[in-house]
Amino acid sequence: GAVVSQHPSRVICKSGTSVKIECRSLDFQATTMFWYRQFPKQSLMLMATSNEGSKATYEQGVEKDKFLINHASLTLSTLTVTSAHPEDSSFYICSARDTLGYTDTQYFGPGTRLTVL
Amino acid sequence: GQQLNQSPQSMFIQEGEDVSMNCTSSSIFNTWLWYKQDPGEGPVLLIALYKAGELTSNGRLTAQFGITRKDSFLNISASIPSDVGIYFCAGQGSSNTGKLIFGQGTTLQVKP
Repeated sequence: GAVVSQHPSRVICKSGTSVKIECRSLDFQATTMFWYRQFPKQSLMLMATSNEGSKATYEQGVEKDKFLINHASLTLSTLTVTSAHPEDSSFYICSARDTLGYTDTQYFGPGTRLTVL
Repeated sequence: GQQLNQSPQSMFIQEGEDVSMNCTSSSIFNTWLWYKQDPGEGPVLLIALYKAGELTSNGRLTAQFGITRKDSFLNISASIPSDVGIYFCAGQGSSNTGKLIFGQGTTLQVKP
């Protein structure tokens, strides 16, 4: 299957700093990527849809100024957690949408563990 | 909005046993996807289903897209210890946004 990478895999930062997470589709182009957040023992919660060349679409309750998303190319989307606080600590996972042919599938990155001290 | 009910929530089985889990939806989906997630990792796609009634296998895994388009099941035959993990179903509706609705997950534990 298709490969999606995330960087970094884990990050620890001080409260008030900003953290950028990269999501790359390595062997296919993705006009759409998604950013999820996952709490322990819970399912994935969609935060926003990242569209190449246009503004991201945020889910209800997700602050767009807090979680900045940029999708500058067909293989890269970035999520920046601005002025991070301990409550932002979580597992962040991206996915890339592959619509080649008649299929419509999402492939996930390995996730980024964010810990805010 | 659309919701998915995944069951069972957890399973503890003996190695070699078969496993079955399913998802039901309150509305129609056009695509059903099954993922497995290991601790600290992202979900890995197991099987993708695109047509009502479709039955697809991937090794010891078999999944079906329900005729009503409101349900799907995943079977694992002859379970082995490395099958341990959390299995998620995900459905995609008729909108072209690509958004997925996830089930709550089924935690599988396999006793050697």
